[in-house]
Amino acid sequence: VQLVESGGGLVQPGKSLKLSCSASGFTFSSYGMHWIRQAPGKGLDWVAYISSSSGTVYADAVKGRFTISRDNAKNTLYLQLNSLKSEDTAIYYCARGEYTTDYPDYWGQGVMVTVSS
Amino acid sequence: DIQMTQSPSFLSASVGDRVTINCKASQNINRYLNWYQQKLGEAPKLLIYNANSLQTGIPSRFSGSGSGTDFTLTISSLQPEDVATYFCLQHNSWPYTFGAGTKLELK
Repeated sequence: VQLVESGGGLVQPGKSLKLSCSASGFTFSSYGMHWIRQAPGKGLDWVAYISSSSGTVYADAVKGRFTISRDNAKNTLYLQLNSLKSEDTAIYYCARGEYTTDYPDYWGQGVMVTVSS
Repeated sequence: DIQMTQSPSFLSASVGDRVTINCKASQNINRYLNWYQQKLGEAPKLLIYNANSLQTGIPSRFSGSGSGTDFTLTISSLQPEDVATYFCLQHNSWPYTFGAGTKLELK
């Protein structure tokens, strides 16, 4: 299992960013996927989940601002981040959802998003 | 949302020590509790799933116990490579929630 995130960077408050997570080593279309973030020096914060059938769940802190999606033909997971706030500054990890119970089992190395003017 | 209270926040122990870390859920989560290890600068790694099942490839010195609201991660004999921060995660209901973490250092 390999997960590689990309698309992070420095962005101004109120702007948008789209993260990608390229998956390999497993049948991507059969698994749910998570985004989880970690603010600098802080703990882990679950952000969003998309099932294999593209049902979605979001944390209250990002609901209405972030959108999780997937492209099974490209084996890629996405997170669209809109109306960004300084408190969204974090490392964003994608993680595979375990096949039967969906908990995060394998994680990518993460991508840094910094929201600052 | 289910709150996960993890203790202690910081732990200093010697090589060979038995180490225990605790997580308490604000409501019954059955056995839907995982433990992750995060070394400095790395992504988290799954150690224990469903309270007491050892993930493939994880050394047997790691074990988990508990059900309902109270859970424990035990390292039976601490090794230098176990220096890391440990997090619990409840996956009983959405939104999934993590404990705040326990930073484990060598004495």
